[in-house]
Amino acid sequence: SQTIHQWPATLVQPVGSPLSLECTVEGTSNPNLYWYRQAAGRGLQLLFYSVGIGQISSEVPQNLSASRPQDRQFILSSKKLLLSDSGFYLCAWTVGGTDTQYFGPGTRLTVL
Amino acid sequence: GQQLNQSPQSMFIQEGEDVSMNCTSSSIFNTWLWYKQDPGEGPVLLIALYKAGELTSNGRLTAQFGITRKDSFLNISASIPSDVGIYFCAGPIATGNQFYFGTGTSLTVIP
Repeated sequence: SQTIHQWPATLVQPVGSPLSLECTVEGTSNPNLYWYRQAAGRGLQLLFYSVGIGQISSEVPQNLSASRPQDRQFILSSKKLLLSDSGFYLCAWTVGGTDTQYFGPGTRLTVL
Repeated sequence: GQQLNQSPQSMFIQEGEDVSMNCTSSSIFNTWLWYKQDPGEGPVLLIALYKAGELTSNGRLTAQFGITRKDSFLNISASIPSDVGIYFCAGPIATGNQFYFGTGTSLTVIP
């Protein structure tokens, strides 16, 4: 069966520090991968998605970036965090060509 | 991304009552997804619907894909305290790899 992992689960970072959040999927090949941000328990905002290694589509201009170095690995990064980057970050995946999306457990990021 | 119209926004019900929520769109969907999210956790897929008119159950949960393909309903029967959470509907955008999401229905079950 397929599983999706995210780490860390929680993170507290000072303003201006770098960020690296990691997402990995097991049990499937060539998934579409997604990063979302959720504020206040509502409203999923799509940040990035990827349909393959090295292929990243950005949906929202910001100081975040994403990379997909391996088929089942998706990384969310920032060189300098802002206060507004605080939130709940969710990784998700779909099998290419299907319409069913599954979410990871999320990372709670607090920028102080 | 674009939001689906989900209602009600919140519900406060007594344990044992039935719950109904719905999601509507101005566009036609080929798939409807329903998720539940507990505080501090990722959304968990409850039910996926793939055909207009389809009625699918998962335990006490039943969801329907509207005939017009522009709406979907989720019903929870005999609610229990662990049903508390936020329920989201979602559907894939026809022209790409992205998904629309509802704004969520917050459910509180009073014991």
